[in-house]
Amino acid sequence: AQKVTQAQTEISVVEKEDVTLDCVYETRDTTYYLFWYKQPPSGELVFLIRRNSFDEQNEISGRYSWNFQKSTSSFNFTITASQVVDSAVYFCALSEISGGAAGNKLTFGGGTRVLVKP
Amino acid sequence: GAVVSQHPSRVICKSGTSVKIECRSLDFQATTMFWYRQFPKQSLMLMATSNEGSKATYEQGVEKDKFLINHASLTLSTLTVTSAHPEDSSFYICSGGPGREQYFGPGTRLTVT
Repeated sequence: AQKVTQAQTEISVVEKEDVTLDCVYETRDTTYYLFWYKQPPSGELVFLIRRNSFDEQNEISGRYSWNFQKSTSSFNFTITASQVVDSAVYFCALSEISGGAAGNKLTFGGGTRVLVKP
Repeated sequence: GAVVSQHPSRVICKSGTSVKIECRSLDFQATTMFWYRQFPKQSLMLMATSNEGSKATYEQGVEKDKFLINHASLTLSTLTVTSAHPEDSSFYICSGGPGREQYFGPGTRLTVT
């Protein structure tokens, strides 16, 4: 069975500070996808990134960066120079690659609430 | 990215009534869509996999007779909460995608009084 753990339930920072969100996962699959989503107070899920288990390269997109380490089953997410608009709940998620369309279902972590204060 | 819509966005109903939630893929066809439920301050939990033209696959612990799923076309999946009770109050979100990408609807907030 797949499992995603986000140990931090809530993080509070002051604007312009960096914040790192931890994500650890468990899966028996040798190939899989990892995701990060943002959920602002409106409730809608905003896709941030998808990472294939084959690709362990770190990625940077603007103020966002991701550190994927297969050896430790971790896929951490860093927001650099945080802004008030970054305040939201962030979810890490996992899906299998095999299994056809049914394999697209996601297993979510518990989420980390980020509060950025001005 | 692809667009998924949900209707209604918010619904309040009385205990014992049934509520239907629609999930539409607006610019792609989806043979498979997923329904998730999110209780306040909790994570999203998969309820069921909706399969076009066949029966839905329910996750363990989800009552299939209570949460009826119909996927009659490649662009529409519906979730009907039958005989709703206050404990069914939650945020229901569907997802689908043309390939490996999953796009989420905006969600439906159900309140049962």
